[in-house]
Amino acid sequence: RKEVEQDPGPFNVPEGATVAFNCTYSNSASQSFFWYRQDCRKEPKLLMSVYSSGNEDGRFTAQLNRASQYISLLIRDSKLSDSATYLCVVRRSNDYKLSFGAGTTVTVRA
Amino acid sequence: GAVVSQHPSRVICKSGTSVKIECRSLDFQATTMFWYRQFPKQSLMLMATSNEGSKATYEQGVEKDKFLINHASLTLSTLTVTSAHPEDSSFYICSARDQRERFNEQFFGPGTRLTVL
Repeated sequence: RKEVEQDPGPFNVPEGATVAFNCTYSNSASQSFFWYRQDCRKEPKLLMSVYSSGNEDGRFTAQLNRASQYISLLIRDSKLSDSATYLCVVRRSNDYKLSFGAGTTVTVRA
Repeated sequence: GAVVSQHPSRVICKSGTSVKIECRSLDFQATTMFWYRQFPKQSLMLMATSNEGSKATYEQGVEKDKFLINHASLTLSTLTVTSAHPEDSSFYICSARDQRERFNEQFFGPGTRLTVL
C-alpha cells in the first residue's frame, strides 16, 4: 500500500467553480501535513500546511481528519492560474522526510 | 523565501557515462538536503538524505554505489549518477531544509531532467 494516495483526477472545472479532493495516508504516526502545487515539469512549491483544526488561505481551505487519516483541499472561485497538479505531502515523525502522493490534476477552463 | 538552485537543469548523456548534479542553497545554510526522483505521472520518491559532513542515508531499494552523494559544505550537495542507463532517465529534484526555520520547511530546487540515450 502506498504511504500517500490521491485521486489522480483530472478535475476539469470552469472558472469560478469550487473543486475539492482528498488524499489518504497510511502511517498513523505522521506528524505534519502539507499541500504542494506542481506545475508541469517544474519543482513542487508549498501551497499550505494543514493543521488539525483546519485552515484557510484565501480561496484555499485544507482539512485534516486524523481519525480517518485523510486530508482534503478545497479551492473556491477557481482561477485559470489554479490549473496544476496538487500534491498531498506527509512528513513522517520527526526525521523531516516527506512522503508525496502522486498528485491530483486540476484544470480550470475559461 | 529561501532559494535552492540546481545545475544542470537538463542533461542528455550516453548510456554508461556518469552525470553529476549540483544542489545549492543560495541564501541559507542547509545541514540536511534531500534527493528525490520523479518518473512521469508518478510521485516524488525520496532517494536519500544528504547530511553535511557525514555519509548520506539511502532509502530502501536505492543503490548507494550507483547514486553517489556528497555534501561537502553547508550550501552544496552533489548527486552523481554513475554508469547511467536509460532506466535512470528521470526528473531529479533536491530540497534543502533551513536549519534556522521554525517549521522546518523544505525548499525545492528547480530540478534536473536527465535523459540517458
